[in-house]
Amino acid sequence: GAVVSQHPSRVICKSGTSVKIECRSLDFQATTMFWYRQFPKQSLMLMATSNEGSKATYEQGVEKDKFLINHASLTLSTLTVTSAHPEDSSFYICSASPRLGDVTQYFGAGTRLSVL
Amino acid sequence: AQSVSQHNHHVILSEAASLELGCNYSYGGTVNLFWYVQYPGQHLQLLLKYFSGDPLVKGIKGFEAEFIKSKFSFNLRKPSVQWSDTAEYFCAVTVSGGYNKLIFGAGTRLAVHP
Repeated sequence: GAVVSQHPSRVICKSGTSVKIECRSLDFQATTMFWYRQFPKQSLMLMATSNEGSKATYEQGVEKDKFLINHASLTLSTLTVTSAHPEDSSFYICSASPRLGDVTQYFGAGTRLSVL
Repeated sequence: AQSVSQHNHHVILSEAASLELGCNYSYGGTVNLFWYVQYPGQHLQLLLKYFSGDPLVKGIKGFEAEFIKSKFSFNLRKPSVQWSDTAEYFCAVTVSGGYNKLIFGAGTRLAVHP
């Protein structure tokens, strides 16, 4: 149980284009989903917290206009990297918490974004 | 601000050796504590968690952790490691009123040699 699917697993794009990453909870409903960024050999840094049906809460220093988050249903959140630049190349990971008050987060496999 | 500190960045052990990875957090209130493992090329998996009750928590694959409130610590242990335990281990904390926000430690890279 508690499976989180993230798609795509890898994407290569040209500078200036936008990329959408999907995060789905497959066997549970997730009121809250989280988006992280992981730099090589470093820990996960929280980018934003996404609540179903409301605006995402962004961490300090994260550009909300560049990293658009939509949480349209209890099983799907999307992260769109707009006008991507090489410095946006990174490993993006989503997680989801079950609806019924469990604060445990279950993680997707991550998306490696390479911007050329 | 809340933070999580993992003292060992790299640990190298031989198979059958015992393992203890340190984790300390800075927060005076109620916390929920987690250890996650990331095997090479794979996603983060939950090893174990502590919310309340018995401070000695047993997780998957023979791992356990002990919450010592007075020391603000949640160290991970395994009596006898295997080569397949080679991975990166992350300690993480959520704090009361923190909307489930996970604060991660920097991670400890464990290499187990046959």
